[in-house]
Amino acid sequence: NAGVMQNPRHLVRRRGQEARLRCSPMKGHSHVYWYRQLPEEGLKFMVYLQKENIIDESGMPKERFSAEFPKEGPSILRIQQVVRGDSAAYFCASSPTVQGAGETQYFGPGTRLLVL
Amino acid sequence: GNSVTQMEGPVTLSEEAFLTINCTYTATGYPSLFWYVQYPGEGLQLLLKATKADDKGSNKGFEATYRKETTSFHLEKGSVQVSDSAVYFCALSDGRGADGLTFGKGTHLIIQP
Repeated sequence: NAGVMQNPRHLVRRRGQEARLRCSPMKGHSHVYWYRQLPEEGLKFMVYLQKENIIDESGMPKERFSAEFPKEGPSILRIQQVVRGDSAAYFCASSPTVQGAGETQYFGPGTRLLVL
Repeated sequence: GNSVTQMEGPVTLSEEAFLTINCTYTATGYPSLFWYVQYPGEGLQLLLKATKADDKGSNKGFEATYRKETTSFHLEKGSVQVSDSAVYFCALSDGRGADGLTFGKGTHLIIQP
């Protein structure tokens, strides 16, 4: 059973370009979470999605950032008009369909975004 | 809001030493608690978890006990190895169901042979 897949693993963008990060959850998982890890910091929750629905986006910056998890295909985190401060590692996690307290989230290897 | 505080690193130990990494939390309700480990250039792997007070999570020689009275979830290992060198993150979920985790800043552990 393949784990959580993320691509690309490394992404370099110039200021003002768009960054598009992809996440394929583990087989059978319908909950996806995105986190951002700034250098020397812990992970910060950004958004929680189920298929075709955004459940909690309380950690998402109000502008330039968006996320989706379509019925078919991977979850996408999109950052428009990137700035240097967006440089970070972005991690995706997934959890099984059944909800419950203490549900384990399984993390992907991350996408390291560098904005020049 | 929820928060997790863990000891600052780096923590440097000799092989076979005893390890403690402190973690305390603030949360409403009855959170679940987790320890994740991150090796260089990789994503996070779940190390252990506990979902209610007095539960002990354990894995690969690591242990942590959920202490509600002290709001703590300290990570311990009796004899560390060089291969344990990594960054360790304490985290909580606030028990409402599947939701975003709140992480501590991480503790970089370095084990010297």
